[in-house]
Amino acid sequence: SQQGEEDPQALSIQEGENATMNCSYKTSINNLQWYRQNSGRGLVHLILIRSNEREKHSGRLRVTLDTSKKSSSLLITASRAADTASYFCATVPGDYKLSFGAGTTVTVRA
Amino acid sequence: EAGVAQSPRYKIIEKRQSVAFWCNPISGHATLYWYQQILGQGPKLLIQFQNNGVVDDSQLPKDRFSAERLKGVDSTLKIQPAKLEDSAVYLCASSLERLAGGRQYFGPGTRLTVL
Repeated sequence: SQQGEEDPQALSIQEGENATMNCSYKTSINNLQWYRQNSGRGLVHLILIRSNEREKHSGRLRVTLDTSKKSSSLLITASRAADTASYFCATVPGDYKLSFGAGTTVTVRA
Repeated sequence: EAGVAQSPRYKIIEKRQSVAFWCNPISGHATLYWYQQILGQGPKLLIQFQNNGVVDDSQLPKDRFSAERLKGVDSTLKIQPAKLEDSAVYLCASSLERLAGGRQYFGPGTRLTVL
């Protein structure tokens, strides 16, 4: 079963705008990861945030984690056409198995 | 560094036929995973290997799916016989960490269509 659930399912933004997507989960986690998937390709790891961390940055990406609310958010700032992709959160509970959500499809319009 | 290699990239078969997918992980990665990704969904873990051994195959439909990892490197995933609902992208991933739930590196996937 998929533990993480992303919201929204789809997002369309103008180039240069910020994109925010959320991930909610049900059970306690060891860490949470975000991946990107371009059309027809494999997943690319973006960022990993551990359960004792609240915020992490990587380039134009900012991830937050609120374990009390069992939720995480991914912010992409100053979006580009190349950011058009599906974004997945993967929760990692105590058994260390990744459980992916259904993803958020982001379209960046030129 | 070379990434995870998979072949073929695309495969179309008739139901009840058999099919095999191949994966070559990143050199030195002890852990190898096979995922099934149905259109519109996230990847679902089918099987996890640690070197030659199976760590988790709880979600592998063993009546039709089988997988092996020879000499702790390459792996093959087989479906026999295929059903319509097996149409999906099959992703192979590998990781350095042992059972640590860390970062995984994915191959480009094999898109299977069962007619």
